[in-house]
Amino acid sequence: DVKVTQSSRYLVKRTGEKVFLECVQDMDHENMFWYRQDPGLGLRLIYFSYDVKMKEKGDIPEGYSVSREKKERFSLILESASTNQTSMYLCASGSQTGGSYNEQFFGPGTRLTVL
Amino acid sequence: AQTVTQSQPEMSVQEAETVTLSCTYDTSESDYYLFWYKQPPSRQMILVIRQEAYKQQNATENRFSVNFQKAAKSFSLKISDSQLGDAAMYFCAYRTPFTGNQFYFGTGTSLTVIP
Repeated sequence: DVKVTQSSRYLVKRTGEKVFLECVQDMDHENMFWYRQDPGLGLRLIYFSYDVKMKEKGDIPEGYSVSREKKERFSLILESASTNQTSMYLCASGSQTGGSYNEQFFGPGTRLTVL
Repeated sequence: AQTVTQSQPEMSVQEAETVTLSCTYDTSESDYYLFWYKQPPSRQMILVIRQEAYKQQNATENRFSVNFQKAAKSFSLKISDSQLGDAAMYFCAYRTPFTGNQFYFGTGTSLTVIP
């Protein structure tokens, strides 16, 4: 079974702190994604990566950065956390293989509260 | 950018009855993939069912089936013989083959199953 793990289920941080959210997948997937989930807004893509050291901005990259130093690990960084970044953060991974569904597999999520 | 619309924020169904969740999408592409994901309360998002655009036959997975109408850009999910464990947030998603396997998600439908 594909396993996507996230470093924390719940996290509480203070405004201005630097926050690291880590995601690890064990299926050798090329693609990894960070989403933020808010009620009524669905999942919004923050960043994604299709290879080591590669990254692409999603729909809402402002205030975030990412790092992918190893294929299995994709980190989301909040450089200076703000209260409007309080949200559920979901990591996902998926294969790059052409001609197939390449569905995304999700981690359990990290509920981040910024005070 | 592609958009995915789920017009029903909330739905309810009696146990053992059938419910249909609607999803429409906007795209100019002819080849793409569609998915329904389920997110139970406080649990991980999992794939329910998937469909390739060029396949005429509607996908079926046990009690879950889709009504895919390509011309109308509609992809509804039918849950038959609803069970208490079907209670969850359901997300419709679209994937294009051409942009690093990026997914576009709807805003979700919260399904309540009434005993």
